[in-house]
Amino acid sequence: NAGVTQTPKFQVLKTGQSMTLQCAQDMNHEYMSWYRQDPGMGLRLIHYSVGAGITDQGEVPNGYNVSRSTTEDFPLRLLSAAPSQTSVYFCASSSAEGATEAFFGQGTRLTVV
Amino acid sequence: AQSVAQPEDQVNVAEGNPLTVKCTYSVSGNPYLFWYVQYPNRGLQFLLKYITGDNLVKGSYGFEAEFNKSQTSFHLKKPSALVSDSALYFCAVRGGGGFKTIFGAGTRLFVKA
Repeated sequence: NAGVTQTPKFQVLKTGQSMTLQCAQDMNHEYMSWYRQDPGMGLRLIHYSVGAGITDQGEVPNGYNVSRSTTEDFPLRLLSAAPSQTSVYFCASSSAEGATEAFFGQGTRLTVV
Repeated sequence: AQSVAQPEDQVNVAEGNPLTVKCTYSVSGNPYLFWYVQYPNRGLQFLLKYITGDNLVKGSYGFEAEFNKSQTSFHLKKPSALVSDSALYFCAVRGGGGFKTIFGAGTRLFVKA
């Protein structure tokens, strides 16, 4: 059982480039979310989704887009990368039934130069 | 709006001593509260959660947490710390009935042999 899979693990971008961080889960979870982790700031919620076709903004959505066309996948798009988006990005999923805990991917370390 | 505060950036304890990692929260409605642990270069792992019922919740690796509604706190505790407990600990809150989960800034725990 793979759980939550994020790709790539590492990425270096130039300012202004775009890219998509991939996230897939095989647990049939309805709820998926993206966080960024920065030193001293903890995890901040970027976007989240409560099911296919439904997304909403979190605490720090600017500069990022998401879509949810299937239950399994929740890609995060950086439209025009900026150095301020240098961070570690985590995808998480959980069941919508009851208050279940989140399962996290291993993270993507992104550097924007 | 939901928020979580972890007032200590770092907690230092000697092996064998009890440990406490503090967390306070703000949320509308009944809270769902979680603790996660992160080891270096890894994703977050679930430790324990409070949904309803007994205010003392027991979780993985001998950790427990006490929910205090009047103080809006959910402190993580362990009676006897191990060196292997050294890691980054995150408290998280989800508003009752909602899906958005907000994390605190994290507390780094150092257990000295």
